[in-house]
Amino acid sequence: DAGVTQSPTHLIKTRGQQVTLRCSPKSGHDTVSWYQQALGQGPQFIFQYYEEEERQRGNFPDRFSGHQFPNYSSELNVNALLLGDSALYLCASSLEGANYGYTFGSGTRLTVV
Amino acid sequence: AQTVTQSQPEMSVQEAETVTLSCTYDTSESDYYLFWYKQPPSRQMILVIRQEAYKQQNATENRFSVNFQKAAKSFSLKISDSQLGDAAMYFCASLRFGNEKLTFGTGTRLTIIP
Repeated sequence: DAGVTQSPTHLIKTRGQQVTLRCSPKSGHDTVSWYQQALGQGPQFIFQYYEEEERQRGNFPDRFSGHQFPNYSSELNVNALLLGDSALYLCASSLEGANYGYTFGSGTRLTVV
Repeated sequence: AQTVTQSQPEMSVQEAETVTLSCTYDTSESDYYLFWYKQPPSRQMILVIRQEAYKQQNATENRFSVNFQKAAKSFSLKISDSQLGDAAMYFCASLRFGNEKLTFGTGTRLTIIP
């Protein structure tokens, strides 16, 4: 049973560019959340998707957007990259109503130069 | 808003000994969950233990147990019989019931000394 799969594992982008990160949830899960983890910090909630809609959002600018597909997979898009966007981006999946049983992926390490 | 504070950036313990990691939190909610997650070098957040705030009994999972002091808003993690594989970053987190956002602390790096 595959867990949460994220791609790519690492990438380097130039300031001002756009990036798309991908997440496949654990089998049977229908909800996907995204977190940003800066170096030496705890993860910060970006947003959550359920039924292809953004259900909740953290304190992140509109440069951060997302999408959920009918197969429950999700994308995180970041436009106009800043140096401060360099971080580990974690995806977590869960099953609606399953009492907060989140499963995390291993993340995408984004470096903005 | 919920906040979570971990005041120990680093801890170390001898293999087979017991260590306690501290966590305090602040919330105005009456229904919430508290979690301890482990993040090894593989970067994946792994759930160690979970506590529902309405339950008075402290949660336990094999060698891991918590000391939940609701009035003091304290939620410490005790690891007994420490093993080399326990070495990792440990994050305390809270979640308001009905909300979907985990709020994490800044983490404690645990080193196991052979």
